[in-house]
This record gives sequence, structure tokens and C-alpha cells, in this order.
Amino acid sequence: GENVEQHPSTLSVQEGDSAVIKCTYSDSASNYFPWYKQELGKRPQLIIDIRSNVGEKKDQRIAVTLNKTAKHFSLHITETQPEDSAVYFCAASIRYGGNTGKLIFGQGTTLQVKP
Amino acid sequence: KAGVTQTPRYLIKTRGQQVTLSCSPISGHRSVSWYQQTPGQGLQFLFEYFSETQRNKGNFPGRFSGRQFSNSRSEMNVSTLELGDSALYLCASSARTGARNEQFFGPGTRLTVL
Repeated sequence: GENVEQHPSTLSVQEGDSAVIKCTYSDSASNYFPWYKQELGKRPQLIIDIRSNVGEKKDQRIAVTLNKTAKHFSLHITETQPEDSAVYFCAASIRYGGNTGKLIFGQGTTLQVKP
Repeated sequence: KAGVTQTPRYLIKTRGQQVTLSCSPISGHRSVSWYQQTPGQGLQFLFEYFSETQRNKGNFPGRFSGRQFSNSRSEMNVSTLELGDSALYLCASSARTGARNEQFFGPGTRLTVL
């Protein structure tokens, strides 16, 4: 069935360092890959997404890369700041057709940025 | 635009009872998806409603059901509650058009089953 594996489950970095979170998906029909950030007690917030016709997308300190052949996608955060501390979730979906509204989530990565 | 809203925010029920949760999507969004979030299982898809029709369903028992109204507001119902149903229930709305199908989450309803 559909599955998204996310690693690592926890990640601790020093402020200013980079953080990388990796995900692997199983459904080759997936073509939309959002990343959500969830702070403690808050709702998940979309921070960046990528579609399968693009290999990389960048937004300031955040970038996402996609390898369709290997079914891998990754989140890269550069120059980390304490406010980046949160749980990050990757997800996979099919952008068109009947399964559009169904996001399959990874298990989440707890990122701690130490000052 | 106002964001996705959910009511109630907190709910305490006992085993065997039933519960109804409500979700109001962003104005103009016609798709509402529901997710269950638990520490052990993470975020799991329950179902999606679009234009008052269930379009997708996750792997949850029939005790979990939902509906959507003509104004796109959606309700989720859980009957015969079990202890394991304790979770944060999140809904997300989407415009669900070709170029814009990002999902935006509500604050969630925290359900505790005693």
C-alpha cells in the first residue's frame, strides 16, 4: 500500500548549522510532495512543496529536492535558528484525479536547534 | 481570508459514546480532508469530501464517518468510542483545482476518551 518513510525521527543541530530530513515514498503515481512544520500545540503549517515535474525548489533558507527515480525527496534547512525547532512532516499525494485530497504522511522529524 | 476553523477545540467523552466534530473550510475551498494525529501512529488520513461527496477513504473502521454540506462545511462522526480513539483530529481544506491543491489545516479538535 501507500507508505512514506521519514528519517531521522529526531535531529539536533547547533544554531547556524544545516539540517536535512529525508523521505521515501512507495506509490509511483505520487506527484505532489508538501512539507509541513508543526510547533508544539499548533496546527501543521505548509512550509514548502514540490511537484514531480521539478527537481528542486528553494524558498530563502528552505529547499526541497526530489529524485523521482529513487522515490526520494528531502528537506534542507540552512542557517538554522532556534525558531526552526518543531516537528517536520513530509507527505506525498497525487495532484490530479481522485486521490488529490489524500496526503500520506511520514512519521515526522523532531528538529531541535540549540542556541 | 479567515483560516480553517474547527469546533469544539477540546472534547472529553466516555467509551461507547459518540461524537461529532465540525470543520469550516477557507472560503471558496470545496475539499475537506480529515486526519487523525496520535503520538504512535502520526498523521493518518481518514477521508476527504468534495462537493458533498466522499472522494477518498482511509483505513479506518466504519465507526468513523463524515459528511459535507452545500456550504462546504464538514462534520466527522465517531460512534461507539474506544479508548484508542483519543487523538487530535485535524481537518484540512483545499481549493482542489489543478494548480492549487495545497491543504491548509485547522487547529484540530483534541478528543479524549475515558
